[in-house]
This record gives sequence, structure tokens and C-alpha cells, in this order.
Amino acid sequence: EADIYQTPRYLVIGTGKKITLECSQTMGHDKMYWYQQDPGMELHLIHYSYGVNSTEKGDLSSESTVSRIRTEHFPLTLESARPSHTSQYLCASSGLQGRNEKLFFGSGTQLSVL
Amino acid sequence: GNSVTQMEGPVTLSEEAFLTINCTYTATGYPSLFWYVQYPGEGLQLLLKATKADDKGSNKGFEATYRKETTSFHLEKGSVQVSDSAVYFCALITQGGSEKLVFGKGTKLTVNP
Repeated sequence: EADIYQTPRYLVIGTGKKITLECSQTMGHDKMYWYQQDPGMELHLIHYSYGVNSTEKGDLSSESTVSRIRTEHFPLTLESARPSHTSQYLCASSGLQGRNEKLFFGSGTQLSVL
Repeated sequence: GNSVTQMEGPVTLSEEAFLTINCTYTATGYPSLFWYVQYPGEGLQLLLKATKADDKGSNKGFEATYRKETTSFHLEKGSVQVSDSAVYFCALITQGGSEKLVFGKGTKLTVNP
């Protein structure tokens, strides 16, 4: 099955802290994505990458940043967390193109900022 | 632009009931259509897909038919189980290497014993 991992599963931190959400995949996929999922379950694309050293902002503006130094690793960083950042963050990857695109998702990180 | 509209939830059914979750789309060109499922506490996983008109995707007793004339891809299951309780997302992608999946807002299904 899918080999995409997110850590931590749950994170509770105070306002102003810097955090990094980890996402790794062992499938050699070029495309990787970060989604923010609100309590109503809607998904919002916040970042994506089509390969090493390639990162783009998604449809929803986010104060987070991402990096893609290695194919398998796509971490998301918040320099100064705020309560408004409380959400579920889902990472995904895909090795296929166009009409055959299939996303593999990690289990998510539930972030709570107090 | 491309968009997906799903019926709003939540949907609550009794075990063995018939399920329909409506999905309609707007897209330039001819999209591929997908249903993803998110079980509690997990990420999404692909449930089924169809890549051209009149194709039927099926998996785990779920079916959906790509209807170009009505721009629809409704999800159906003849007899739901408690284990089908999850959030279901309809999605599309159009041809072209830089296109990204467009998701609907999700429909939460609860099946009671």
C-alpha cells in the first residue's frame, strides 16, 4: 500500500512557537502536496511541489512555508504559530500524470495552537 | 474554471440501506473523475475512478458512472455497512501535466447498525 508518512500525528503548542510538520514518501514520487482540512472536512491546497527545488503556493493563502530538497521529503514550517493555524494538515504524493493522477495521502497531523 | 459540487451532508443511513451521493462537475475539456474516501482518523484514499464518458468505476460495492450529458458522477452502493461510515470526496482532473486535482467539499456518511 501507500508509503507516505506524516509526523507527528497530533501536536499541541503555544502561540509564537516555530513548528515543522514532517512528510516523507518512499515511492519516488515527484509530485507532493499539502492540504489544510477545516472542521467541515473541506480540503484546501496550500502548497505543492513537482520535484526537487520546486515549490508553489496553492489555492488557499497560508503563512506556512515548504521546502523540497530531497524527492522523498516535503516538510511544512510555521515560523510563529497562532490559534488560527489550528487545523488538520494532510500531505499527499503522486507519481502519475494528468488523467491517471492518483494521490496517496498520509494520515495527517492535527495541529492545535493554544 | 474547474469545479466539483457534492450534495451536502451529513448523511445518516441504517445498515443495508441504499446510498446515493450526488456529484456534478464543471470542467474545460474532458476530465477524469474520482471518488476518494476518508475513514475516521485517516488520510484520503482513492475509492474509484472513471477516465472517459460512460465509464463505470467500481470498488468495494460502490459504483459511479461518468455521465457527460449531465456532467455527473454520482456515487452509489446498494447496501451500506457500518464500516462505510466515512467522508466521501468527489474530485476531477483535466488533461495536462500541470493540472491539479479539484475536490468537492466532502459528504460525511454515518451508517447506524
